[in-house]
Amino acid sequence: NAGVMQNPRHLVRRRGQEARLRCSPMKGHSHVYWYRQLPEEGLKFMVYLQKENIIDESGMPKERFSAEFPKEGPSILRIQQVVRGDSAAYFCASSPRQGWHYGYTFGSGTRLTVV
Amino acid sequence: DQQVKQNSPSLSVQEGRISILNCDYTNSMFDYFLWYKKYPAEGPTFLISISSIKDKNEDGRFTVFLNKSAKHLSLHIVPSQPGDSAVYFCAASEADMRFGAGTRLTVKP
Repeated sequence: NAGVMQNPRHLVRRRGQEARLRCSPMKGHSHVYWYRQLPEEGLKFMVYLQKENIIDESGMPKERFSAEFPKEGPSILRIQQVVRGDSAAYFCASSPRQGWHYGYTFGSGTRLTVV
Repeated sequence: DQQVKQNSPSLSVQEGRISILNCDYTNSMFDYFLWYKKYPAEGPTFLISISSIKDKNEDGRFTVFLNKSAKHLSLHIVPSQPGDSAVYFCAASEADMRFGAGTRLTVKP
């Protein structure tokens, strides 16, 4: 499967726990984007990363959320001390370069439920 | 900041008729506009795009129109088919991509 792989597909966490969401971009893609979709809402941009660099994190909440895209391995979106309001679908997308106008490739998402 | 807006949360059309989905944007620096289609429990899939230097792009049953002066774009699907029923997201791109809230299209047989 050469697509964008996200895991886990579903994640349940209790309030106060940590959530780690993983994204492996398409082969040959070095640009990764994270989006969040709250229930009944659209896709909200969170962060744009290249290998080992955060390019734009203007959509990330200032506290508890962090993202990385190491030289080796998948991109990780980390949410510390989760709260009920963090329950959402988190989508990762990738592209071969910045300003790729032929559409990002999206993964199937991770559905986080905080209980 | 909602730079890309889809003001109609839902649209219902009859099979065979035209579906018109609308989108407005505020940032004049956007240089590409895209439409994505999303089925439940799946990620969005790219449908069609248009450069800011064009006013129309057509791909089969799908046509996107761009009116830069009005900062408005629309997606026309004709003829509409039941399989087109999905949520459609408008997106605009500068360095990265911003999405509208989506419009749920239902095509009735």
